[in-house]
Amino acid sequence: EAGVTQFPSHSVIEKGQTVTLRCDPISGHDNLYWYRRVMGKEIKFLLHFVKESKQDESGMPNNRFLAERTGGTYSTLKVQPAELEDSGVYFCASTPQGATGTQYFGPGTRLLVL
Amino acid sequence: AQRVTQPEKLLSVFKGAPVELKCNYSYSGSPELFWYVQYSRQRLQLLLRHISRESIKGFTADLNKGETSFHLKKPFAQEEDSAMYYCALRADKLIFGTGTRLQVFP
Repeated sequence: EAGVTQFPSHSVIEKGQTVTLRCDPISGHDNLYWYRRVMGKEIKFLLHFVKESKQDESGMPNNRFLAERTGGTYSTLKVQPAELEDSGVYFCASTPQGATGTQYFGPGTRLLVL
Repeated sequence: AQRVTQPEKLLSVFKGAPVELKCNYSYSGSPELFWYVQYSRQRLQLLLRHISRESIKGFTADLNKGETSFHLKKPFAQEEDSAMYYCALRADKLIFGTGTRLQVFP
């Protein structure tokens, strides 16, 4: 069974540009989560999808971040325009049932904004 | 406020020494706690969860509600235990601590 995949693995962009991160959860997993780890800080929750619906987006930093999950399969997280403080590692995780199952993490996308 | 605290950024021990990675939490309800591990060049993965009360790779963790702690312990560290360890609390989403890097020297 393929695990959670994320694309790209790394992205280096300039301040003001746009970047789109993609997450493909494990097939059949309804729950999809985005997290972010900024250098030296904890891994912080961004948002939670149940199928295509946003269940909780309380962790989204501001309106420069837009997450979508059309069709309830893969998800994208777009940052527009990117700022220096957006640099970090963005993780995606999925679970098969409810919000109580073990979360399976993707490898992360390392974003560097210059 | 819901919070997880891992006071040590780095813990270095020699092979065969006991290890204890500290984790304290703040949560008003009944907590569900986890330890996640990230080995070099690998993805974050679940190590153990308190409700399972199991030992994985020789690691154990006991939930102490009185001290609001969930410390991770192993009596004899191995070199392959070197990794980043994250304590996490579930409140729908996962709330992580800042992580502790464990280095086990030969």
